[in-house]
Amino acid sequence: SYVLTQPPSVSVAPGKTARITCGGNNVGGKSVHWYQQKPGQAPELVVYNDRDRPSGIPERFSGSNSGNTATLTISRVEAGDEADYYCQVWDATSDFVFGTGTKVTV
Amino acid sequence: QVHLEQSGPEVRKPGASVKVSCKASEDTFTRFFLHWIRQAPGQGFEWMGMIPPGGGNIAYAQRFQDRFTMTRDASSSTVYMELTTLRSEDVAVYYCAAAGVATVRYFDFWGQGTQVTVSS
Repeated sequence: SYVLTQPPSVSVAPGKTARITCGGNNVGGKSVHWYQQKPGQAPELVVYNDRDRPSGIPERFSGSNSGNTATLTISRVEAGDEADYYCQVWDATSDFVFGTGTKVTV
Repeated sequence: QVHLEQSGPEVRKPGASVKVSCKASEDTFTRFFLHWIRQAPGQGFEWMGMIPPGGGNIAYAQRFQDRFTMTRDASSSTVYMELTTLRSEDVAVYYCAAAGVATVRYFDFWGQGTQVTVSS
């Protein structure tokens, strides 16, 4: 089955940049999507198709994907960005696959 | 905007079954694939299955095929999931989620989640 690996935690100071990685075998050949989940809440889509943002998501959220690593970048981090972040892909043999999740601490 | 409203928390004994509902806004059934995804305590997400817009072939994750059923009621814009032979490993928050027909492979909208507890 296809596996997506994320660092368990990332710590970042307010106003700085957070980078969250999502590693998978040739993940650059797939479309990667990212979700933000705050405590006690449902996930929210923040980036889709590697780098696109849904309506209402700040430009501070951006994505990239190449080789074996996809990255979610949060610029000018705010206290409200503190959450768990999950990457996700669709794989022909594993269907919908989620990453292990990264806790971002501001 | 799509709104997904799920039924409330459930407590079941091991070996029992649970049925959870997800009521969608009216046009959702014709515009979105509706999925069930679960999240065990402190864990990541696990995809369970999906119903296509307008009904049709339901797809299940292989590991759930023998005890997981999804159904839909178009008259009330509601989808249901039923999980049988519950065990402690099924303790989780169960989410319904919507993926657009044009997007398909990611989840645009999520319900609020339903806590399922399995305890004797």
